[in-house]
Amino acid sequence: SQKIEQNSEALNIQEGKTATLTCNYTNYSPAYLQWYRQDPGRGPVFLLLIRENEKEKRKERLKVTFDTTLKQSLFHITASQPADSATYLCALYNAGNNRKLIWGLGTSLAVNP
Amino acid sequence: DGGITQSPKYLFRKEGQNVTLSCEQNLNHDAMYWYRQDPGQGLRLIYYSQIVNDFQKGDIAEGYSVSREKKESFPLTVTSAQKNPTAFYLCASSIGSGTKNIQYFGAGTRLSVL
Repeated sequence: SQKIEQNSEALNIQEGKTATLTCNYTNYSPAYLQWYRQDPGRGPVFLLLIRENEKEKRKERLKVTFDTTLKQSLFHITASQPADSATYLCALYNAGNNRKLIWGLGTSLAVNP
Repeated sequence: DGGITQSPKYLFRKEGQNVTLSCEQNLNHDAMYWYRQDPGQGLRLIYYSQIVNDFQKGDIAEGYSVSREKKESFPLTVTSAQKNPTAFYLCASSIGSGTKNIQYFGAGTRLSVL
């Protein structure tokens, strides 16, 4: 069955460092991979999307890579700030999968001042 | 401001009672979704609708019902048949599930059982 895995353990880093979160998937060929941010008690907010034929995408301090051979995406936050503390979710999409998103469980990030 | 509005923010259900969660969007999106989020289980799809007057069951539809009579509205009813309804419920919309399916979420409704 299709499966997405994200780091289950919370990630704690110091302010100013680069945070790197991992999203691995199996038994799936996504056309798009998306990253969302979720704060406690709130709905997820879309951050970035990367297509299967793109290797890297950037937006301000955020960078996403997508390796379809390794079946892995890495999400980087450079010059991290305490305000970046949240849970980050990855989601996969392929129009053939009844047009639904497949969601990871998320990784909790804490940036310490 | 464009967005998705969920109400109420908190809801309490008595045993045997049906309750309805509201979801309204003014983004002119065709597709709408209902998810349930429990600690450690991530987002699970309950129902989704790709167009008005049509909807499909998601992965955990039992004990829930929906309607899509208007493009802007996608209410979710938690029926008495749902034996474990305590959870955080999220509504989302997207331009169309045939595109990249980027989803925009409401602030959620937290449902508890009295």
